[in-house]
Amino acid sequence: GQNIDQPTEMTATEGAIVQINCTYQTSGFNGLFWYQQHAGEAPTFLSYNVLDGLEEKGRFSSFLSRSKGYSYLLLKELQMKDSASYLCAVLSNDYKLSFGAGTTVTVRA
Amino acid sequence: DAGITQSPRYKITETGRQVTLMCHQTWSHSYMFWYRQDLGHGLRLIYYSAAADITDKGEVPDGYVVSRSKTENFPLTLESATRSQTSVYFCASSESWRVSYNEQFFGPGTRLTVL
Repeated sequence: GQNIDQPTEMTATEGAIVQINCTYQTSGFNGLFWYQQHAGEAPTFLSYNVLDGLEEKGRFSSFLSRSKGYSYLLLKELQMKDSASYLCAVLSNDYKLSFGAGTTVTVRA
Repeated sequence: DAGITQSPRYKITETGRQVTLMCHQTWSHSYMFWYRQDLGHGLRLIYYSAAADITDKGEVPDGYVVSRSKTENFPLTLESATRSQTSVYFCASSESWRVSYNEQFFGPGTRLTVL
């Protein structure tokens, strides 16, 4: 089975940096995704990692360590619009996407 | 407009009734998926389809039926709705499945309440 853990909630101040951790234990690994989901809306793609290391895309970066079963999403220069749920998802050997429960990030002024 | 749409957006039904949720995409994506999202569980895969007339079970398929007679449509049917099927249902599609980069695009969701 799949086991994907991420913190339930995080709060940060506008302009700050927040790091959302994700640990996983899955039957095989073919990549890790991060999605953003605003309340009442559909998830939207943020990043994809399949090799170890850091992928940077503007204010968002995602890191992966396959040996540790660990990833994080780094949100820099936080803005109020970044208040959302962030979903970690792992693509397993059978190419099915398994999601963590999501981390709700609240950005305060 | 191109994209992925779901209907209805909101649905209230009663226990035992049959309900069909519709999903339509205009990208001609081969792969389509149905997820349900419940508090504390995240998104869970119900069924998926690799192409027209090809479907397979996901993590939580019991109580659901799917069909895919056309590439662009992937309806999800609850044969006899139960209260435990109260949830938000998301349809998604992707261009390919067995490549390293298979971003899934999600529809807006259907909020289903079973009384």
